Amino acid sequence: GAGVSQSPRYKVAKRGQDVALRCDPISGHVSLFWYQQALGQGPEFLTYFQNEAQLDKSGLPSDRFFAERPEGSVSTLKIQRTQQEDSAVYLCASSLVTGQATDTQYFGPGTRLTVL
Amino acid sequence: GQQVMQIPQYQHVQEGEDFTTYCNSSTTLSNIQWYKQRPGGHPVFLIQLVKSGEVKKQKRLTFQFGEAKKNSSLHITATQTTDVGTYFCVTGNQFYFGTGTSLTVIP
Repeated sequence: GAGVSQSPRYKVAKRGQDVALRCDPISGHVSLFWYQQALGQGPEFLTYFQNEAQLDKSGLPSDRFFAERPEGSVSTLKIQRTQQEDSAVYLCASSLVTGQATDTQYFGPGTRLTVL
Repeated sequence: GQQVMQIPQYQHVQEGEDFTTYCNSSTTLSNIQWYKQRPGGHPVFLIQLVKSGEVKKQKRLTFQFGEAKKNSSLHITATQTTDVGTYFCVTGNQFYFGTGTSLTVIP
């Protein structure tokens, strides 16, 4: 594809609802990352996939957060029982190779989640 | 996790003035990347530095990696309104983003 796409672009949820955020990486990119960016802050790492394998999920803030990439392409970030502190922009990024520090990451436009 | 601090947090400059942001780490870095995020946008890759003392230039932007590989800087000469945004240094396999420097350019 032309770039990383994410959907929806905006999501409003009532506290306690579950949400699912989708990321379509650049075709052929091996690595996929999820970040959480609170207002006025830098992106914070959540989790990383290499193909379908979730190699690092150390950044997920609680067990309410779950991510998957079952076929090594599209990824979904799911947040259960949303809380107000989950309100943020969720960014997805992909890179061509194996997610090493020297890779270039290509970011999607993000999903802005607002929890009321 | 790695502690990467950027200074200043905010910078307002008149158009045409120079601008510098500094990134400081408590540990030695294998490499460092710089990204720019426009207001309302997403981070966009600018450059990567790997070697000790490395200096790279992109038009009006000059990037430097410290000799000890614990700090880096981004210098913009003669800022333009198109330079507005937040500049992040990024390190590590988990792509730790620095705290960022938000640049405002006053026309």
